[in-house]
Amino acid sequence: GENVEQHPSTLSVQEGDSAVIKCTYSDSASNYFPWYKQELGKGPQLIIDIRSNVGEKKDQRIAVTLNKTAKHFSLHITETQPEDSAVYFCAASETGNQFYFGTGTSLTVIP
Amino acid sequence: KAGVTQTPRYLIKTRGQQVTLSCSPISGHRSVSWYQQTPGQGLQFLFEYFSETQRNKGNFPGRFSGRQFSNSRSEMNVSTLELGDSALYLCASSLGGNGYEQYFGPGTRLTVT
Repeated sequence: GENVEQHPSTLSVQEGDSAVIKCTYSDSASNYFPWYKQELGKGPQLIIDIRSNVGEKKDQRIAVTLNKTAKHFSLHITETQPEDSAVYFCAASETGNQFYFGTGTSLTVIP
Repeated sequence: KAGVTQTPRYLIKTRGQQVTLSCSPISGHRSVSWYQQTPGQGLQFLFEYFSETQRNKGNFPGRFSGRQFSNSRSEMNVSTLELGDSALYLCASSLGGNGYEQYFGPGTRLTVT
């Protein structure tokens, strides 16, 4: 089955700086890559996603890049704010009905 | 549009008992997936239902089962609870078909004593 690795496991940045989280996947058949943000006591929230026919996608301060050849994808958050502090998960899916998740990155934005 | 709802939010059970968790998907969503989240193992896929049929199953023992009703609501059952079943159980819904975007509920925190 698919194996998704995520790095780093923890990340601290100063407010206003950028944060980058990276994931690799093993199954070349995976074609959908969502990112989730999970705040304490809540379920994961879909924040951005990308499909394998696209190399980059942006939504305001958040962007995701995908390198199909290298089988890795990254989340970029610019101009970080304290409310960005949360645990972020990447995931991969081939069919859209079974997802494999990374182990999560705990992001702390220091005011 | 209302989000994914899960009941109950918190549950305490004793080892050996069984438990049923409920999930109501977003209106119009026909696919419901269940995940177990623990600090050590992260988010692990349990199973996925679409139109009342289990389409996919993760690597969990048979003590974990589920079902989906005609209104797309889903239930998950764990029999003969073990201490290691203590976790946050998350339900996620999606349109199914070509709709890949999956939306999670707040989860049910199960504690087994």
